[in-house]
Amino acid sequence: GDSVTQMEGPVTLSEEAFLTINCTYTATGYPSLFWYVQYPGEGLQLLLKATKADDKGSNKGFEATYRKETTSFHLEKGSVQVSDSAVYFCALFFSGTYKYIFGTGTRLKVLA
Amino acid sequence: ETGVTQSPTHLIKTRGQQVTLRCSSQSGHNTVSWYQQALGQGPQFIFQYYREEENGRGNFPPRFSGLQFPNYSSELNVNALELDDSALYLCASSTRTGQETQYFGPGTRLLVL
Repeated sequence: GDSVTQMEGPVTLSEEAFLTINCTYTATGYPSLFWYVQYPGEGLQLLLKATKADDKGSNKGFEATYRKETTSFHLEKGSVQVSDSAVYFCALFFSGTYKYIFGTGTRLKVLA
Repeated sequence: ETGVTQSPTHLIKTRGQQVTLRCSSQSGHNTVSWYQQALGQGPQFIFQYYREEENGRGNFPPRFSGLQFPNYSSELNVNALELDDSALYLCASSTRTGQETQYFGPGTRLLVL
């Protein structure tokens, strides 16, 4: 069935380090891909999205490219800040069934 | 613009009881989805409502039911609570034409003892 696999956390980095959080997926159709972020005590917030192959989503210095050939949507940021500490979720959305499938989340800790 | 709100924020129930959780959608949004997020896991889709009708359902038993009202607010009802129902319940709203972008509320944390 359709699924999302994320790298396990926690990921611990020093401030200004480079971040990569891996996300791969299995899908029978052509989903849109998303990264959501959940800060402590808050609900999920959309970070970025890409709706078709080779699209690049970007926001707040984060980027991810929809790679159909490798079924991946890895999240990257060139220089993380302490305020980026949160849990990051990769997700698929299927427009035909209006259904979201989320990964298990990756906790990021950024140390000053 | 008012965001998605949920009530209550926390709730403690005992096994076998029934619970009702509430969600007010963001202004202009006519579609509401409910998710269950167990500790350390990603959100699991429960169901979605559009124009007061259930529009899709995940792998949850019938004791999970819902309602959507004419103002697009929504309720999630869970009967015969089980210990495994302990989780954060998230509501998300969207427009029908822009369903891929969902706006989440802060959630209701349910503890079943």
